[in-house]
Amino acid sequence: DAGVTQSPTHLIKTRGQQVTLRCSPKSGHDTVSWYQQALGQGPQFIFQYYEEEERQRGNFPDRFSGHQFPNYSSELNVNALLLGDSALYLCASSFQADEQFFGPGTRLTVL
Amino acid sequence: AQSVTQPDIHITVSEGASLELRCNYSYGATPYLFWYVQSPGQGLQLLLKYFSGDTLVQGIKGFEAEFKRSQSSFNLRKPSVHWSDAAEYFCAVGRPSSGNTPLVFGKGTRLSVIA
Repeated sequence: DAGVTQSPTHLIKTRGQQVTLRCSPKSGHDTVSWYQQALGQGPQFIFQYYEEEERQRGNFPDRFSGHQFPNYSSELNVNALLLGDSALYLCASSFQADEQFFGPGTRLTVL
Repeated sequence: AQSVTQPDIHITVSEGASLELRCNYSYGATPYLFWYVQSPGQGLQLLLKYFSGDTLVQGIKGFEAEFKRSQSSFNLRKPSVHWSDAAEYFCAVGRPSSGNTPLVFGKGTRLSVIA
């Protein structure tokens, strides 16, 4: 059973560009949450998707948006990239409100 | 608002020695409490969790944690550390009213293990 998978593993972008990160949840899971982990910090909650809708959102600007597909996979989009968006982006999946399982993350570097 | 404090940024212990990582939380009621471990370049792995009941919780890899309501603490312990335990450890809290999302994490404690 594959766990949570994320792609790509690493990504380099320049300021002002847009980026899309992808997440496939663990089999049987229907809820996906995204977290941003800056260097030397703990993960911070961005938003959560359930039934293809954003259910909860953390303190992140509208430049951060997402989507959930009928197969429960999810995308995180970030527009107008800033240097401060450089971070490890973690996806976590769960079956509704049960335990979250984290993926390995996507390392985004903004130059 | 919830918050988590991990007072120790970096801890070094000798292999075979005991370990205690501190975690204090701020929350209006009893939260859900978690400890995660993150190896370099990896995602987060759940070590243990506390929802209710027995305040001493057993986890994987020989770790345990004790919930102390009076001290708003959830410290992680291991009686004998192995070199493979070197990693970053994160304490997190979740709101029972919304399941375990969103999780609020501390800034982490980096554990180094020396021979």
